[in-house]
Amino acid sequence: GQQLNQSPQSMFIQEGEDVSMNCTSSSIFNTWLWYKQEPGEGPVLLIALYKAGELTSNGRLTAQFGITRKDSFLNISASIPSDVGIYFCAGLSNTGNQFYFGTGTSLTVIP
Amino acid sequence: GAGVSQSPRYKVAKRGQDVALRCDPISGHVSLFWYQQALGQGPEFLTYFQNEAQLDKSGLPSDRFFAERPEGSVSTLKIQRTQQEDSAVYLCASCTTGEQYFGPGTRLTVT
Repeated sequence: GQQLNQSPQSMFIQEGEDVSMNCTSSSIFNTWLWYKQEPGEGPVLLIALYKAGELTSNGRLTAQFGITRKDSFLNISASIPSDVGIYFCAGLSNTGNQFYFGTGTSLTVIP
Repeated sequence: GAGVSQSPRYKVAKRGQDVALRCDPISGHVSLFWYQQALGQGPEFLTYFQNEAQLDKSGLPSDRFFAERPEGSVSTLKIQRTQQEDSAVYLCASCTTGEQYFGPGTRLTVT
């Protein structure tokens, strides 16, 4: 199946730093979702985006739906140790019945 | 309220055995998805239900995989004659208005 290109693959940052990651696709999506997954758990929904150009925040997290509808960005400000995990983007196909996932960004926060 | 639940959380099967994985979606969610997640990868789509109707099963890797949702709520993913390559985490998600929520997954190990 299709997987979205997500970068960077991994990040090692100091506590307090800001983080940026992005997701790109060759296809247009109408919905972008961002998830965080911790070991042994299912992905947890962080932010949902429904409109090109939309910028949405959830606490220290901010995500944007790219104007081209082929990309999305997630920023985490002032990182803390509990931000550690793997972050996945997901795009909803135009048929509305398939979500395609990115390859994931593994985040490590060094106290 | 209650989220998506899955059982069992862990399953060890000998090669050739049949397994059945259960998903209880969020009450009232019409859409239900099954995914397979290999280690270090993002979830990959297996199949999609809208109520009791299986609208897309294009992601099922072989005819040994079978999913059902007979009453439009609980769903079961069955894998017949398990093979080692079936070892993975199987995630279930239910969806409303574009927001998809995951269960904790079932980790299947085929020995």
